[in-house]
Amino acid sequence: AQSVAQPEDQVNVAEGNPLTVKCTYSVSGNPYLFWYVQYPNRGLQFLLKYITGDNLVKGSYGFEAEFNKSQTSFHLKKPSALVSDSALYFCAVSFQGGKLIFGQGTELSVKP
Amino acid sequence: DADVTQTPRNRITKTGKRIMLECSQTKGHDRMYWYRQDPGLGLRLIYYSFDVKDINKGEISDGYSVSRQAQAKFSLSLESAIPNQTALYFCATSDEDRTQPQHFGDGTRLSIL
Repeated sequence: AQSVAQPEDQVNVAEGNPLTVKCTYSVSGNPYLFWYVQYPNRGLQFLLKYITGDNLVKGSYGFEAEFNKSQTSFHLKKPSALVSDSALYFCAVSFQGGKLIFGQGTELSVKP
Repeated sequence: DADVTQTPRNRITKTGKRIMLECSQTKGHDRMYWYRQDPGLGLRLIYYSFDVKDINKGEISDGYSVSRQAQAKFSLSLESAIPNQTALYFCATSDEDRTQPQHFGDGTRLSIL
């Protein structure tokens, strides 16, 4: 069965420090992986995806993610966090014609 | 204007009432989805439609029904609302290529008393 796990409910980071939001997955076949961000009172916004190729993918707002097949992970990263990055982040895997399975979400809090 | 529009944005109602949540899109996508979001559970798929004549149950369809009125419109109904259906509901669209992201509306916050 396909599944996605985000092991941390909350991540706290100081502004200017690097941030990592973790995601692990379990899928049969090649994984199509996505990261979305949700700001208060808004829908999910697409950040980046891994389909194939380079294991380091770059996305919107300076975010990047590293795909690691052996560890079945797809961690979201940013070299220098901003207060405005504070939001809820979701990892998701695509299967069966485009349906998504989401992780539980990680609340990122960036303090000045 | 938003590409995916959900109405209403907020709704408070009573147990046993029939509720309809509406979604319309200008993306021109054939595929549309309804999810519910609960704290700590992420988003779970309720129903999805790959075209006007193709509607499928998702992970948690019990207590819900849907109608795909046109390519651009996909509505979700709660025939007899119950308190544990209190949640944030999202509509999303996508094209046929599963490597492409889904596009989400801003959600409907539904409270059932």
